[in-house]
Amino acid sequence: TAGITQAPTSQILAAGRSMTLRCTQDMRHNAMYWYRQDLGLGLRLIHYSNTAGTTGKGEVPDGYSVSRANTDDFPLTLASAVPSQTSVYFCASSDASGTGNEQFFGPGTRLTVL
Amino acid sequence: GQNIDQPTEMTATEGAIVQINCTYQTSGFNGLFWYQQHAGEAPTFLSYNVLDGLEEKGRFSSFLSRSKGYSYLLLKELQMKDSASYLCASMDSNYQLIWGAGTKLIIKP
Repeated sequence: TAGITQAPTSQILAAGRSMTLRCTQDMRHNAMYWYRQDLGLGLRLIHYSNTAGTTGKGEVPDGYSVSRANTDDFPLTLASAVPSQTSVYFCASSDASGTGNEQFFGPGTRLTVL
Repeated sequence: GQNIDQPTEMTATEGAIVQINCTYQTSGFNGLFWYQQHAGEAPTFLSYNVLDGLEEKGRFSSFLSRSKGYSYLLLKELQMKDSASYLCASMDSNYQLIWGAGTKLIIKP
C-alpha cells in the first residue's frame, strides 16, 4: 500500500509564480491536512479538510488555497509565491477528524522560493 | 493562547534511558500525541494519551497529567536508531493538533 504520496519531492520556484503541491492517499481517510515545517518552529496547519467537498483554514492560511474534490486528493496551491513560503510542506491524513485518530504523513515537499 | 513547550535538544548514551518532557496550554484538550521524526523524513506516530497515567509500548512509554498540562515520553534501552526529533502535539477543542517545535535527541555510543 502506498499510503500517502506527495509531489514534487522538491522544487525551486521564482517569486510571483504559482504552483500546486499534490497529495494523494489510498487509505480512504476522511480527513486530510496540509502543514508547513520551518526550522525552530512546530508544524503549522495551513488548511484542512474533514471530508470530501469541505475545507477549512488552519493557523497560517494566507497565500494558500486547497480543494477536496474527492476522498483521495488534496492539492495545495500557492497563487503567487513569496520567499517567506520557503519551507517543507507535509500532507497528512487521518481516518476521521475526532479524538485519538493518528495522522499519517506524506514524505514532504521541500519548496524554495527565490 | 496556545503553547507547547519541549526542550530543543537532549543528549543520551546508547543503552540508557531518557525522558523528554512536554508542557502544553491549549484551548480545550482532546489528547496528547508523540511523533518521531528522523532528519529529512516525515513524522511517524508513537503514542496517544487522553487519560492520566502511563501508557507503555515496548521500549517507549508516554505519560500524561491533565491537571498539570504535562506529558513525557520515556525511551528505554536507547539505540542509535533512536536519534531523531520527538514532536509533542496537543489536540485542541476543534480536534486540531497544536505542535511543539520538537526535541532533537542525540544518542552517543
